Amino acid sequence: DAGITQSPRHKVTETGTPVTLRCHQTENHRYMYWYRQDPGHGLRLIHYSYGVKDTDKGEVSDGYSVSRSKTEDFLLTLESATSSQTSVYFCAISGGPGDSYNSPLHFGNGTRLTVT
Amino acid sequence: GEDVEQSLFLSVREGDSSVINCTYTDSSSTYLYWYKQEPGAGLQLLTYIFSNMDMKQDQRLTVLLNKKDKHLSLRIADTQTGDSAIYFCGRSSQGNLIFGKGTKLSVKP
Repeated sequence: DAGITQSPRHKVTETGTPVTLRCHQTENHRYMYWYRQDPGHGLRLIHYSYGVKDTDKGEVSDGYSVSRSKTEDFLLTLESATSSQTSVYFCAISGGPGDSYNSPLHFGNGTRLTVT
Repeated sequence: GEDVEQSLFLSVREGDSSVINCTYTDSSSTYLYWYKQEPGAGLQLLTYIFSNMDMKQDQRLTVLLNKKDKHLSLRIADTQTGDSAIYFCGRSSQGNLIFGKGTKLSVKP
């Protein structure tokens, strides 16, 4: 799992509540990503980070925000959860020492979020 | 059409070869990847190929790249029941990956 820990692994929350998912890495990789995985859609990029305090939007960023105050932590926040955000969320990292810009991504084991 | 396309299902018998195909639209990608996902787990990098290569072999895995046709394939020799999983094709794009929807490989004993 390339030193990536996602927490929590499972969460059930109610519509309208804020939710924060955490991704922690021990690899000192530069790039970190949040994807969501849904049946029929595969994996879609939500947000990514290319360094501390440097983030950018992905394909499906509406309703999500991120923060990266330290190299090792990348937080994904759902400001007001909706049922359409029920999904499995994966964190990924890349860009270790010596890696190129397009080096492979390594994934965490995912967080299963259910919004009721 | 989709940026990266894969067939959704493939069923093979144990011991046979499996070939999973992928097509993509953008030829500017530097790397193309194959990932494996087992139930309840994240994506595991299987192999990748640089865009100026035609073939890469790694034990039971063979990757073929036809850049002209924008076609990538993954061949698994002597497929085992433990190979049952979803396989994702991905292409590099400006620092992140764009994935296909995955091919579910079922291996029958």
